[in-house]
Amino acid sequence: NAGVMQNPRHLVRRRGQEARLRCSPMKGHSHVYWYRQLPEEGLKFMVYLQKENIIDESGMPKERFSAEFPKEGPSILRIQQVVRGDSAAYFCASSRSTGTGLSNTEAFFGQGTRLTVV
Amino acid sequence: AQSVTQPDIHITVSEGASLELRCNYSYGATPYLFWYVQSPGQGLQLLLKYFSGDTLVQGIKGFEAEFKRSQSSFNLRKPSVHWSDAAEYFCAVGGNTGKLIFGQGTTLQVKP
Repeated sequence: NAGVMQNPRHLVRRRGQEARLRCSPMKGHSHVYWYRQLPEEGLKFMVYLQKENIIDESGMPKERFSAEFPKEGPSILRIQQVVRGDSAAYFCASSRSTGTGLSNTEAFFGQGTRLTVV
Repeated sequence: AQSVTQPDIHITVSEGASLELRCNYSYGATPYLFWYVQSPGQGLQLLLKYFSGDTLVQGIKGFEAEFKRSQSSFNLRKPSVHWSDAAEYFCAVGGNTGKLIFGQGTTLQVKP
């Protein structure tokens, strides 16, 4: 049973380009969470998605960032017109569902995508 | 407001010494609590978790943590530290979704 898969592991973009980060949740998981880790900092929640729905985007920057989790395929975090400050590690996590019970809500993390903007 | 505080940014201990990493949380509902470890350039590895029941939780690699509701704390402990334990440690709190709030992390350095 494969874990949460993120690709690419490393991504280099020039300022002004677009970055697309992919996350395939664990089998049987329908909830996906994206986090950003800036250098020397902890992980900060960005967005929580269920299939075809954004549930909570309270941590998403207002501009240039978007996320989707289509009915088929991986979740995508998209950063348009990247700037140097976007350089960070982006982690994805998935959970089975929500509600009571740790077996439903426990989130499992991928290995992250390290974005470098040059 | 929901938050996690790890008061110690850096801790240095000698190999073989005991370790305690502090974590305090603020959360409006019944919390699920987690400790993760991260080596440089790597992902997060779950050390242990608390959901309910026994407030002393055993994890991997010889780590344990104790949930103290009255103190809103979930401190991580290890009786004897190994050089391979040098890493960054994150405490996190969540609830009835998988959304987690993380602390700033504590960097552990182990002296030979």
